[in-house]
Amino acid sequence: RKEVEQDPGPFNVPEGATVAFNCTYSNSASQSFFWYRQDCRKEPKLLMSVYSSGNEDGRFTAQLNRASQYISLLIRDSKLSDSATYLCVVNNPTGGFKTIFGAGTRLFVKA
Amino acid sequence: DADVTQTPRNRITKTGKRIMLECSQTKGHDRMYWYRQDPGLGLRLIYYSFDVKDINKGEISDGYSVSRQAQAKFSLSLESAIPNQTALYFCATRAVGTGYNEQFFGPGTRLTVL
Repeated sequence: RKEVEQDPGPFNVPEGATVAFNCTYSNSASQSFFWYRQDCRKEPKLLMSVYSSGNEDGRFTAQLNRASQYISLLIRDSKLSDSATYLCVVNNPTGGFKTIFGAGTRLFVKA
Repeated sequence: DADVTQTPRNRITKTGKRIMLECSQTKGHDRMYWYRQDPGLGLRLIYYSFDVKDINKGEISDGYSVSRQAQAKFSLSLESAIPNQTALYFCATRAVGTGYNEQFFGPGTRLTVL
């Protein structure tokens, strides 16, 4: 079983749609969580951190469920520019925080 | 100017050749990382360094070596390249602190081994 698992997609949605991604992690001791965005052939960039209380940044909402060991990302009112791969990232408290990247979920937003 | 730079950006080489990928950063971060990315597998850690005197193997270090020449520079070497090392390679940096410090990535090096 992979330490961090994501649905690879692709998710094909029209502009304006709401789309949700889920991610599960296997290490119950994991301490910090993130969503990164990666455009085609580009480097990953931090989209948002995910806190236990849940957090929102504009059209993006991230939630963490420690009991079930999953993280979610909700994108409302999708834009064409949201088309990218979304990486779920987990830090485990070993060796100075070991960072585990999910393989990513691809999103295509179409006009 | 970019905070994390990588050279070269693209490289095609032959099996058995020695290759060096270089990474420089201006963010002043102590922690630096080398990852490779393959389709469907996500980013996998090759080596990481917490400071100039601290080098650690990641999950896939076989066939690779690194050198931390200075706080700002971290190089990855393939001593004898093989075709399954064809991948997209990223360098990243991170500040010391809480687990919520983000990683900053370079633009990547696309390596093809024929």
